[in-house]
Amino acid sequence: DQQVKQNSPSLSVQEGRISILNCDYTNSMFDYFLWYKKYPAEGPTFLISISSIKDKNEDGRFTVFLNKSAKHLSLHIVPSQPGDSAVYFCAARGTSYDKVIFGPGTSLSVIP
Amino acid sequence: SQTIHQWPATLVQPVGSPLSLECTVEGTSNPNLYWYRQAAGRGLQLLFYSVGIGQISSEVPQNLSASRPQDRQFILSSKKLLLSDSGFYLCAWERTRNTGELFFGEGSRLTVL
Repeated sequence: DQQVKQNSPSLSVQEGRISILNCDYTNSMFDYFLWYKKYPAEGPTFLISISSIKDKNEDGRFTVFLNKSAKHLSLHIVPSQPGDSAVYFCAARGTSYDKVIFGPGTSLSVIP
Repeated sequence: SQTIHQWPATLVQPVGSPLSLECTVEGTSNPNLYWYRQAAGRGLQLLFYSVGIGQISSEVPQNLSASRPQDRQFILSSKKLLLSDSGFYLCAWERTRNTGELFFGEGSRLTVL
């Protein structure tokens, strides 16, 4: 039972353009949604998060949008840079339990 | 400062041998701790999590086990490794409780032959 889904395994974007990574979830009890960035052979690093009471959170070039009715969130990266090339994981957590569930990841390639 | 360390970084073990991966957190107390595994080409699978000493929750039935003998120590073990146990193992602690914001260790690459 995959509670957090990322249906696009990979994405290629030209440098300077917008990257949009998508994530869907099934559990209405999630309270926090997060995005992590991962390079090969390293642990993931936290990028940005959003609480379920908000619909947008922005941090520099990164913006996360949450649509609770659709159980969908997205990460926008503007402008995309070659250093953004990595695997991006969507994750979710509910305050009523202590699990942090990750999606399968989307590999982003930003082409110079 | 707050840090997390896990070791060994790389391990090559024969099928049927035991396993012990250790994770230690510094600079915080009573953290929520997690073990994840990333198999080749796959996402992050939650294996175990712990909210306190001796409190372990298992997510996936398998031949792995976890223990938390001290507040900031989390150990992943197996008595007999299987080929399918190969993967990249990651320990993490929740920097701000109940938010899902995790700090990960450097990872341990396990190859079972």
